[in-house]
Amino acid sequence: EAGVAQSPRYKIIEKRQSVAFWCNPISGHATLYWYQQILGQGPKLLIQFQNNGVVDDSQLPKDRFSAERLKGVDSTLKIQPAKLEDSAVYLCASSLVASQRPSGEQYFGPGTRLTVT
Amino acid sequence: DAKTTQPTSMDCAEGRAANLPCNHSTISGNEYVYWYRQIHSQGPQYIIHGLKNNETNEMASLIITEDRKSSTLILPHATLRDTAVYYCIVRASGGSNYKLTFGKGTLLTVNP
Repeated sequence: EAGVAQSPRYKIIEKRQSVAFWCNPISGHATLYWYQQILGQGPKLLIQFQNNGVVDDSQLPKDRFSAERLKGVDSTLKIQPAKLEDSAVYLCASSLVASQRPSGEQYFGPGTRLTVT
Repeated sequence: DAKTTQPTSMDCAEGRAANLPCNHSTISGNEYVYWYRQIHSQGPQYIIHGLKNNETNEMASLIITEDRKSSTLILPHATLRDTAVYYCIVRASGGSNYKLTFGKGTLLTVNP
């Protein structure tokens, strides 16, 4: 079974530029998550989708961050404009829905390391 | 979700058992204990979860105290590849919101 795919793996941009990250979840996983992990900290949830609907985006800085999952499969996370404090690893994860797997284990991709200079 | 407390770091000799503790004194009756780990430069990896009973799978064993206020993750024969940050997370099961709230975890270093 293929895992969660993310691209690019690394990105360096200057502040005030825009950037986009792409995620392809495990086939059949209706739930998709984006996490931000700042160096030395645990991942923090930014947004959760179920199919193409948003379940939780309470910690997404909506003035600069946006995410979409138009067809309920792939997802993109965008930052515009980027700030220095956005330097982090952006992780995508996916899981089955509760009716299929009540325990809801999440499977993570390798992440995209963003450096904002 | 209940808060968890873990030691910042631990060491273990290769081939020995690694016992990683976690305190979750405010855990609710419907909350499970989950363990994930994160090897350097990789995404977190699910290890195991449990509610009341002890659990074992091919990766590890999870021992939960009778009062459910603490638990221990056991790696029976640690290898160098088990060096990682281990996260203990408490979360309700079921429903539509599977949010995981990660702390800083425990950095386990397995030494040769």
